[in-house]
Amino acid sequence: NAGVTQTPKFQVLKTGQSMTLQCAQDMNHEYMSWYRQDPGMGLRLIHYSVGAGITDQGEVPNGYNVSRSTTEDFPLRLLSAAPSQTSVYFCASTPEWRQGWPTDTQYFGPGTRLTVL
Amino acid sequence: KNEVEQSPQNLTAQEGEFITINCSYSVGISALHWLQQHPGGGIVSLFMLSSGKKKHGRLIATINIQEKHSSLHITASHPRDSAVYICAVIQGAQKLVFGQGTRLTINP
Repeated sequence: NAGVTQTPKFQVLKTGQSMTLQCAQDMNHEYMSWYRQDPGMGLRLIHYSVGAGITDQGEVPNGYNVSRSTTEDFPLRLLSAAPSQTSVYFCASTPEWRQGWPTDTQYFGPGTRLTVL
Repeated sequence: KNEVEQSPQNLTAQEGEFITINCSYSVGISALHWLQQHPGGGIVSLFMLSSGKKKHGRLIATINIQEKHSSLHITASHPRDSAVYICAVIQGAQKLVFGQGTRLTINP
């Protein structure tokens, strides 16, 4: 199993550009989530999904869109990139969840380091 | 005041020492996660606790719901344990909050 994969590993954008961060898992997990990690802030939840066709907002959803058309894929879209979105982005999946939260081991992707100029 | 406080923020120890990292939280929770972030940035989930104690190899995690406190212990520490350890709590059905992490360095 590849586990959770993310692409790209690094990306530089100009303010106003759009892009999609890709995330895929091959463990048949229903629950997938996106986090951003900023120095001094810790990890923060952006969006999550509990199955194909079902997504919901986390703590910091503004400026990001998600969709879940298949169990395997959970892309994160930046509609109009801003310097405040410079961060490291992690995707994660888990086999068990309850009331919208992971209740078992989370499997993290390797991260995408995004810089917005 | 952060909802999740970890202590210490930084910890340096010698190989073989017993390590304790603490996590305190201010509101009732339904579960607590311990994560390990390697120097290269990768994150590994270590434990998920809702009560009691869990053990995996040299790692032990405990939680005291009444005192709103969890500890992560490492026995016979090794340089490969050097990482940032992160505590995260699920506050009822409303919020997932991460601590800012404890940076652990184990010297040979």
